[in-house]
Amino acid sequence: EAQVTQNPRYLITVTGKKLTVTCSQNMNHEYMSWYRQDPGLGLRQIYYSMNVEVTDKGDVPEGYKVSRKEKRNFPLILESPSPNQTSLYFCASSSGSLAGIPASYEQYFGPGTRLTVT
Amino acid sequence: DQQVKQNSPSLSVQEGRISILNCDYTNSMFDYFLWYKKYPAEGPTFLISISSIKDKNEDGRFTVFLNKSAKHLSLHIVPSQPGDSAVYFCAASEAYNTDKLIFGTGTRLQVFP
Repeated sequence: EAQVTQNPRYLITVTGKKLTVTCSQNMNHEYMSWYRQDPGLGLRQIYYSMNVEVTDKGDVPEGYKVSRKEKRNFPLILESPSPNQTSLYFCASSSGSLAGIPASYEQYFGPGTRLTVT
Repeated sequence: DQQVKQNSPSLSVQEGRISILNCDYTNSMFDYFLWYKKYPAEGPTFLISISSIKDKNEDGRFTVFLNKSAKHLSLHIVPSQPGDSAVYFCAASEAYNTDKLIFGTGTRLQVFP
């Protein structure tokens, strides 16, 4: 089954304790992205990756790191989480560029990771 | 600065009637627009899209209308069904920056029997 998986689905942590949220897709997609969803703000892009070893900042990258060492995986790293990073996080992937449409369109989203930082 | 705005946080429609979800944008460089649908505890799923060279795109019960002069697009669902109850996000992309989608804040649609 084609899917984007995220782990963990729920996480409660404390300020300053490094954490990683994993994201994996089994569709051989080149484009992957991370978003956060907050009430009244919608979905905001954190980082995206056009291919292995190619990453770029989205609209809200502060406090986050990513890496793309393999095509299927795109982990999100919070080196020193703070309470304002409490949010619902989504990973997404797309093969748009291979189908002749821009890679950011028609993304497949994972189920989300709800993170609480106390 | 919210470049894509969905001014109605929620909408309630009776089953069988038309649902109209609205989206306004401020960036004149946007040339491709999409709607995503999100159920609770799931990630958003792509629903329908429209290029700025068109003013209408239809897919079954879903139609998206684009009014470029007003910088406004709308999603029509006819007839509405209880399974359409979800949060709908409007998104847009610039012609020369297609790596990124800018999402709106979402509208929660409830379709009641």
